[in-house]
Amino acid sequence: GQNIDQPTEMTATEGAIVQINCTYQTSGFNGLFWYQQHAGEAPTFLSYNVLDGLEEKGRFSSFLSRSKGYSYLLLKELQMKDSASYLCAVLDSNYQLIWGAGTKLIIKP
Amino acid sequence: GAVVSQHPSWVICKSGTSVKIECRSLDFQATTMFWYRQFPKQSLMLMATSNEGSKATYEQGVEKDKFLINHASLTLSTLTVTSAHPEDSSFYICSARDLGEADTQYFGPGTRLTVL
Repeated sequence: GQNIDQPTEMTATEGAIVQINCTYQTSGFNGLFWYQQHAGEAPTFLSYNVLDGLEEKGRFSSFLSRSKGYSYLLLKELQMKDSASYLCAVLDSNYQLIWGAGTKLIIKP
Repeated sequence: GAVVSQHPSWVICKSGTSVKIECRSLDFQATTMFWYRQFPKQSLMLMATSNEGSKATYEQGVEKDKFLINHASLTLSTLTVTSAHPEDSSFYICSARDLGEADTQYFGPGTRLTVL
């Protein structure tokens, strides 16, 4: 079966760095996405990785290792507004998005 | 990034009535749109894949006669919840697939449906 695992909840301090991990087992792979979702709102696109390595975009970076079925989202200089759920999703061989359950990130002052 | 709109943003209706939700891609053509449902504190649940000009593909357990999907043009898909009941109350989100942008899905803002 297809499976995406990510931690349910994480807590971090304002100004710090946090890494949210995602491991996946899917039928085929056509890319991995990270989305941010604030409570009561639709997800917003953060990043897309299809090749191994690190993609940096401002305070957010995303890493992918296809051989390990592993990705992480790195958030630097955390701000209170970064408190949200972070969803990992993999595009499988049928180009269908397989979603993780999301990681709720709590930022404390 | 691409913009997807959804209308209405919220709706309250009586049990037994039907509700139509529109999803539009504003600045790109989307041959494929997706409809999701999300319960509080849960991840997105894919309901169906909507392809322009053809019938939608429904996920297992989703009643196609209850959740009618029409993808009449490259920029518009509609979801009609027929004979709505309180258990249909949920957050419905659409997304549109932009083939020109690394096959990224862009989400509409969602529609909160409350059935009394």
